[in-house]
Amino acid sequence: GQNIDQPTEMTATEGAIVQINCTYQTSGFNGLFWYQQHAGEAPTFLSYNVLDGLEEKGRFSSFLSRSKGYSYLLLKELQMKDSASYLCAVRTMDSNYQLIWGAGTKLIIKP
Amino acid sequence: DAMVIQNPRYQVTQFGKPVTLSCSQTLNHNVMYWYQQKSSQAPKLLFHYYDKDFNNEADTPDNFQSRRPNTSFCFLDIRSPGLGDAAMYLCATSRDPAGANEQFFGPGTRLTVL
Repeated sequence: GQNIDQPTEMTATEGAIVQINCTYQTSGFNGLFWYQQHAGEAPTFLSYNVLDGLEEKGRFSSFLSRSKGYSYLLLKELQMKDSASYLCAVRTMDSNYQLIWGAGTKLIIKP
Repeated sequence: DAMVIQNPRYQVTQFGKPVTLSCSQTLNHNVMYWYQQKSSQAPKLLFHYYDKDFNNEADTPDNFQSRRPNTSFCFLDIRSPGLGDAAMYLCATSRDPAGANEQFFGPGTRLTVL
């Protein structure tokens, strides 16, 4: 079957750096997405990786290793507004290019 | 601003009373999706349309139906809501299902079933 694993919850301090990991077991990999979702709101797109390596976008970076079925989202200079859930989603050809979603990692930022 | 709009934002219905949720988009995207999301869970894809082509997920209950009368609008009909259907319903769009095309989400409709 196809599966995505993320930690359920993480805590970090304002101004620090946090890394949120995502591992996946899928077939027909066709890209990995990270979304941010604040409580009670819709997900918003953060990053997309389809090739191995690091994609940097401001304070957020995302890394992919296809051979290991592994990605991480790196958040730098944490701000209180970064408190949210972070969802990893994998697109596969086997699922007709639809996204397989992780349950999300709830990130709590403390002052 | 181009966007995805969902109405209503909050919907309360009674057990077994049909309800319709609506979604509209000004992005002119080809693909529209309906997801169900329960608290602390992953979004669950119910259906998607690629233009007029309708794609139903295998495990979507028959109680859920969808219509896309034109490019801009999509509707989710729940024919006989049960208590287990209480959730956030998210509409999303994308230009294309493949490539570097992310999904854009509407604000969601939170459904309560009494």
